[in-house]
Amino acid sequence: GESVGLHLPTLSVQEGDNSIINCAYSNSASDYFIWYKQESGKGPQFIIDIRSNMDKRQGQRVTVLLNKTVKHLSLQIAATQPGDSAVYFCAENMGGGGYQKVTFGTGTKLQVIP
Amino acid sequence: SQTIHQWPATLVQPVGSPLSLECTVEGTSNPNLYWYRQAAGRGLQLLFYSVGIGQISSEVPQNLSASRPQDRQFILSSKKLLLSDSGFYLCASQVGQNGPQHFGDGTRLSIL
Repeated sequence: GESVGLHLPTLSVQEGDNSIINCAYSNSASDYFIWYKQESGKGPQFIIDIRSNMDKRQGQRVTVLLNKTVKHLSLQIAATQPGDSAVYFCAENMGGGGYQKVTFGTGTKLQVIP
Repeated sequence: SQTIHQWPATLVQPVGSPLSLECTVEGTSNPNLYWYRQAAGRGLQLLFYSVGIGQISSEVPQNLSASRPQDRQFILSSKKLLLSDSGFYLCASQVGQNGPQHFGDGTRLSIL
């Protein structure tokens, strides 16, 4: 069945280093992908998104890469800061009329070491 | 940009009691609205979505119900809570079909 998953449940990085968080998806019909950041006790916060007609998109300190051939999505955070510590999860939208049918991954915990 | 308000932030209820969680959205109109439950260490489970006033669709059979009395108000309810209803409940809003969902800060519900 369709699923969205993450390769690493926990990722520890040194402050100032770059972080790469990976995500695999299995539904080739998915056309829209989103990365969220969730801090403890809070709701998910939108970081960046990408559509299936793109393979790379950049934001402020973040880059999302989409490899449709292997159904892989990654989030790169440049110069990781302590405030980046959180759970990150990807989501895929499988389309549909009138609303989004989104499947969320379980998340990767990013720990930034000062 | 839209802002999603949820309250209360935390709630402790006895088994068998009723429930009403409210979500309101500011900064947009005619959003698609969603209720999710998030179990610890797990992904978000979609409970209900709504594409307009009075229009509710349920994704999973459960002890909960939802209502949308106004364009930017979404309510999650139960007549009698079960222990299994404990969890972190999130409301999300999305404009159009092609943008991201934005979330409120959730309600932590504990059933005793």
